[in-house]
Amino acid sequence: DAGITQSPRHKVTETGTPVTLRCHQTENHRYMYWYRQDPGHGLRLIHYSYGVKDTDKGEVSDGYSVSRSKTEDFLLTLESATSSQTSVYFCAIMEGTSGSGGTDTQYFGPGTRLTVL
Amino acid sequence: DAKTTQPTSMDCAEGRAANLPCNHSTISGNEYVYWYRQIHSQGPQYIIHGLKNNETNEMASLIITEDRKSSTLILPHATLRDTAVYYCIVRPNRDDKIIFGKGTRLHILP
Repeated sequence: DAGITQSPRHKVTETGTPVTLRCHQTENHRYMYWYRQDPGHGLRLIHYSYGVKDTDKGEVSDGYSVSRSKTEDFLLTLESATSSQTSVYFCAIMEGTSGSGGTDTQYFGPGTRLTVL
Repeated sequence: DAKTTQPTSMDCAEGRAANLPCNHSTISGNEYVYWYRQIHSQGPQYIIHGLKNNETNEMASLIITEDRKSSTLILPHATLRDTAVYYCIVRPNRDDKIIFGKGTRLHILP
């Protein structure tokens, strides 16, 4: 499982409240990713990070922000949660020697199920 | 947009080989083909990847056509635990993002 944990694993919150999801890895990987998964849409990339304080947007970044102040933690924040952000959120790391490019492989965490009422 | 085309769903009898096709007709020379699967409510799991040559590991075999425009993932002796959604992904070289399509839902029938 490449030492990836996500917390919390389940969360129910109300519209308009801030929410932060945490992804923690123990193997010092440079690249980390946040995806969301919804029925009919598959996995969609939200944001990713290629190092401490280095992040970039994915396909569906609106309404989300991220932070990476240390290598092992990648935080995903919903500043004001909406019902459309009800989803399962997966964190992933990239494992490989080059840090990018065709030969590196992603490994995923167990997921966080978020419900916004 | 995903650069691959896969059937929405497939069935396979338990104990038989499951052959999952993927079309990637716009693949460029240095792009790798990756396969992942996702068992219900779990995170996606890496299976195998390749560039030009066929590849085999303990989970599966990957057959890439000579023109590289399509590939087939082979699970040699499918079990009920292989029921999952299988994603074929073309990974741009020197790109640090992986974009998933909708995959193929494989049902293994007892």
